Amino acid sequence: GENVGLHLPTLSVQEGDNSIINCAYSNSASDYFIWYKQESGKGPQFIIDIRSNMDKRQGQRVTVLLNKTVKHLSLQIAATQPGDSAVYFCAEKTVGFQKLVFGTGTRLLVSP
Amino acid sequence: EAGVAQSPRYKIIEKRQSVAFWCNPISGHATLYWYQQILGQGPKLLIQFQNNGVVDDSQLPKDRFSAERLKGVDSTLKIQPAKLEDSAVYLCASSQLAGKGIEQFFGPGTRLTVL
Repeated sequence: GENVGLHLPTLSVQEGDNSIINCAYSNSASDYFIWYKQESGKGPQFIIDIRSNMDKRQGQRVTVLLNKTVKHLSLQIAATQPGDSAVYFCAEKTVGFQKLVFGTGTRLLVSP
Repeated sequence: EAGVAQSPRYKIIEKRQSVAFWCNPISGHATLYWYQQILGQGPKLLIQFQNNGVVDDSQLPKDRFSAERLKGVDSTLKIQPAKLEDSAVYLCASSQLAGKGIEQFFGPGTRLTVL
């Protein structure tokens, strides 16, 4: 939605840099994780997902890393572009439950 | 492929008034979700439908919120009466099924301001 991210942690990078956005999750029973991108005035958009039996998954310019030992998830964006500026949310799904639980989000600002 | 449609996009009401939001999911999607997104937070699931049945409404404040999906397609979410803390963006999402690996597609949301 509009103005999402006014009070969120912010990561500022230069165009062309690599970005790393981190997410800590609390439920060790979570077995599926997703990263979403949300631009101002829009709903969240799926970027990439990973199951708990994996520790890394790559997409186009994006990589998700999962460390179950410390319950940490990261999203790496290669060669960040101004169009990548948005709020990024991680979400988790717990075994036995169907719903997604979203984190608080990180705002990524990319300057030309 | 048309995305998830929501209306209205914006709504301003006074506290204690009623409001309703409408969602049209992607054609053929059996599962429909309503989320509440408060400014600066991630979306929180309010209710999930599978066809026209409720799968999860554990976080829906049932004293004031109601939702229906009568024919298993469109859905409405109603708030009656509204409180100041209901100010948020209400997002609708749909997916072909529910479960892991099933992508949820989100609509643009309805931004509600309660004065």
